[in-house]
Amino acid sequence: GIQVEQSPPDLILQEGANSTLRCNFSDSVNNLQWFHQNPWGQLINLFYIPSGTKQNGRLSATTVATERYSLLYISSSQTTDSGVYFCAVEASGTYKYIFGTGTRLKVLA
Amino acid sequence: EAGVAQSPRYKIIEKRQSVAFWCNPISGHATLYWYQQILGQGPKLLIQFQNNGVVDDSQLPKDRFSAERLKGVDSTLKIQPAKLEDSAVYLCASSLRGTVNEQFFGPGTRLTVL
Repeated sequence: GIQVEQSPPDLILQEGANSTLRCNFSDSVNNLQWFHQNPWGQLINLFYIPSGTKQNGRLSATTVATERYSLLYISSSQTTDSGVYFCAVEASGTYKYIFGTGTRLKVLA
Repeated sequence: EAGVAQSPRYKIIEKRQSVAFWCNPISGHATLYWYQQILGQGPKLLIQFQNNGVVDDSQLPKDRFSAERLKGVDSTLKIQPAKLEDSAVYLCASSLRGTVNEQFFGPGTRLTVL
């Protein structure tokens, strides 16, 4: 089955810093989502982005499907950005999402 | 628009007991998913319904786990009997399952098996 790897596994930032999170996948995909899991465990939708680039405030994402990766950019990080970031992909020819290993982000005040 | 609802939010049981979780998806969403998330890991798909039919249950431990989706809307996930390794957060999600298949998640049920 498709493999989904995220990097880095852990990241510590000072408030105001920028960061880039990466999601690599081993096969072609139909769908891709980025989520933020907050300290209470809720998975919050950030982007639905099977291809192209999207922006939402301080966050933006780019998926290059032909090269099998997606990037999540966080600018001017805030303490509320802390938590775990997951990408999830739906491989072509399947109808189910597979989650990546996650990136645990901690933003220090 | 109301989100995905789940209950209970927390449950503590003894091993070998039974437990059931309930999920109400977003109105109009044909696809419903149950995931298991063990501490420190990403969510793992247990079962996926399209309306009231099962699309995928390849990772559901069928000797102890069962799930149903009544009339293609609400769903119940049951564990009988529970084991210590079932301690996890159980997440329900739903999607429209069209050209754009974006999942939306409920708050989850945290299960502790003692």
